[in-house]
Amino acid sequence: RKEVEQDPGPFNVPEGATVAFNCTYSNSASQSFFWYRQDCRKEPKLLMSVYSSGNEDGRFTAQLNRASQYISLLIRDSKLSDSATYLCVVKRNSGNTPLVFGKGTRLSVIA
Amino acid sequence: NAGVTQTPKFQVLKTGQSMTLQCAQDMNHEYMSWYRQDPGMGLRLIHYSVGAGITDQGEVPNGYNVSRSTTEDFPLRLLSAAPSQTSVYFCASSLTRQGRSYEQYFGPGTRLTVT
Repeated sequence: RKEVEQDPGPFNVPEGATVAFNCTYSNSASQSFFWYRQDCRKEPKLLMSVYSSGNEDGRFTAQLNRASQYISLLIRDSKLSDSATYLCVVKRNSGNTPLVFGKGTRLSVIA
Repeated sequence: NAGVTQTPKFQVLKTGQSMTLQCAQDMNHEYMSWYRQDPGMGLRLIHYSVGAGITDQGEVPNGYNVSRSTTEDFPLRLLSAAPSQTSVYFCASSLTRQGRSYEQYFGPGTRLTVT
């Protein structure tokens, strides 16, 4: 089983729709969780960190379920500019251990 | 503040050639890393460093060497290029404090083709 797994998509949604992505992780000792966004032929950029209590940033909501070892990203009122690949990222534990990236979920928002 | 810079942006090599991909950051970040990204494979960690003089292997280190003589620079050396090393290479850096990682900043990438 891969350490971080995501549905690759693509998710094709109309503008204004709500879309959700899930990501599962296999290492129960994982401590930190993030969503990154990567536009076509560009570098990844941090979208948001994921906190135990869940957190929201505008139209984006991230949630963590430690018991089931998954994190989710909800995008409300999708915009054309949300079209990108969303990478789920997990840090194994505290200490200087590397981040582990999922392969990403591709989102296309259609007019 | 330039952030993370990578050179070159594009490179074509012949099989067997060697070269160094440059990466520099001006944010005084302790942690730096190199990834390669291939279609359908996602980002795979090649090597990383938690500070000057300290490096460690990632998931796919074979065929690559790194060194970290300064905080700012983290070059990646391809010893003898192979077609399997055709990829997009990203360098990233982040601050770390007491084992906690902060946001990783990525450079714009180097697109490498080995023929």
